[in-house]
Amino acid sequence: AQTVTQSQPEMSVQEAETVTLSCTYDTSESDYYLFWYKQPPSRQMILVIRQEAYKQQNATENRFSVNFQKAAKSFSLKISDSQLGDAAMYFCAYRTPYQGAQKLVFGQGTRLTINP
Amino acid sequence: DTGVSQDPRHKITKRGQNVTFRCDPISEHNRLYWYRQTLGQGPEFLTYFQNEAQLEKSRLLSDRFSAERPKGSFSTLEIQRTEQGDSAMYLCASSPQGMSGNTIYFGEGSWLTVV
Repeated sequence: AQTVTQSQPEMSVQEAETVTLSCTYDTSESDYYLFWYKQPPSRQMILVIRQEAYKQQNATENRFSVNFQKAAKSFSLKISDSQLGDAAMYFCAYRTPYQGAQKLVFGQGTRLTINP
Repeated sequence: DTGVSQDPRHKITKRGQNVTFRCDPISEHNRLYWYRQTLGQGPEFLTYFQNEAQLEKSRLLSDRFSAERPKGSFSTLEIQRTEQGDSAMYLCASSPQGMSGNTIYFGEGSWLTVV
């Protein structure tokens, strides 16, 4: 079974600086999807960024980028120019590509605090 | 597009009572998911529907839990004979049919407190 591990329960960063959140996963599959989701307090979870395992190029979405190391099974999220609105729980998630299996496997989450 | 809607947002119930949560997915999304999230943890998959068919169930979904999606639109999650360990947030999500990399959209969740 696939597992996802986030080893940083909490992180903090000064506004406008850069922070990196770590994620490792375990799988025997060669093709899969990886995601970072953001969950603000009392608000719904939203997708931040997605990476297909067969793509070597790291995904980027504006201030958010990932460092995908397939051999190391590592998938970190870098947030540049941190803003107060980035404060939230961040979850790393794994999904198999096979049609019959639809579930996301989540890590434990990292609580990100932005210091003004 | 109003997003995934869940009702009620909060529910406090006494141990042993039954509770039911409703989820309205994004219109035209034929895939619907239920997850459970306890404090300080990531969401855990419970079950998945494609249209009205329940295609996958987690072992977390004990006999006291039942989910339905009778017409392939909204879904209900019922918990019978609630226990204190059922206290959690129940998240509903939906996605369009297609590649497994399609974005899954989450609702704001339904908080359950069993006292």
